[in-house]
Amino acid sequence: GAGVSQTPSNKVTEKGKYVELRCDPISGHTALYWYRQSLGQGPEFLIYFQGTGAADDSGLPNDRFFAVRPEGSVSTLKIQRTERGDSAVYLCASSATSGTYNEQFFGPGTRLTVL
Amino acid sequence: AQSVTQPDIHITVSEGASLELRCNYSYGATPYLFWYVQSPGQGLQLLLKYFSGDTLVQGIKGFEAEFKRSQSSFNLRKPSVHWSDAAEYFCAVGPPSGGFKTIFGAGTRLFVKA
Repeated sequence: GAGVSQTPSNKVTEKGKYVELRCDPISGHTALYWYRQSLGQGPEFLIYFQGTGAADDSGLPNDRFFAVRPEGSVSTLKIQRTERGDSAVYLCASSATSGTYNEQFFGPGTRLTVL
Repeated sequence: AQSVTQPDIHITVSEGASLELRCNYSYGATPYLFWYVQSPGQGLQLLLKYFSGDTLVQGIKGFEAEFKRSQSSFNLRKPSVHWSDAAEYFCAVGPPSGGFKTIFGAGTRLFVKA
C-alpha cells in the first residue's frame, strides 16, 4: 500500500502570505502527527490528531499555525502571515493508533521557503 | 528538561568498517528509545526501538543498539557499513507511559567513503 504522502514537496512563498501544506496518511491510520524540521535539527513536534480531533497542539509555535483533519484522514497544516523563520521542512507522520509504541510512518516532507 | 544529545554532527567511515553513533538522553524516567534514518528525499524510517527487556536490540538493515541505563545512552552500531548506509541518523525518545510526544536529537550525518 502507499505510504504517507505530502504535497507540495516544495513551497516558496513571500513573507506575509498564507500557505497550506497537505498530508495524506496511510489508509486506516487513526493517528496523525505534524513535525517541523529546521536546518541542522531533528524533527520538532507540532500537533497530534487522533481521528478528527487535535489531541495535542502544544507544539504549534503561535496562533499563525493551525491544522485540521476534518474527516479523520487527510490533514492540512495552515500557516498565516508567514515569516522567514517559518522556513523549514514540515513532516507528517501517521500511525495505526496513538502511543509511542506504535510506529510512526513519515512522509517525505514539504520544504517551505519564505522569502 | 527532556532532551536528546547526539554529540557527533557528522561521521565518516570507510565502507566495510564498523560504525557506532552515540546518543545520550535526559529524561525523568527511562523513556522509550528509537533510532531513525533519513535518506535524501525519503521520509524518516524507523531502524529499531527499545521499550524494555533485553538491552541489546536488533533492527533492520543490520543495525543494533544497546541501552545503558547507567550512562543514559542508546548507541547505534553496525559491524560493517555499506555505501547505501550514508544518511542522517536520528535518536529519539518517547514517554514511558506510551504517549506520543517524541523528542528527537539533532541528528548525525554519516558519510561512507569507498
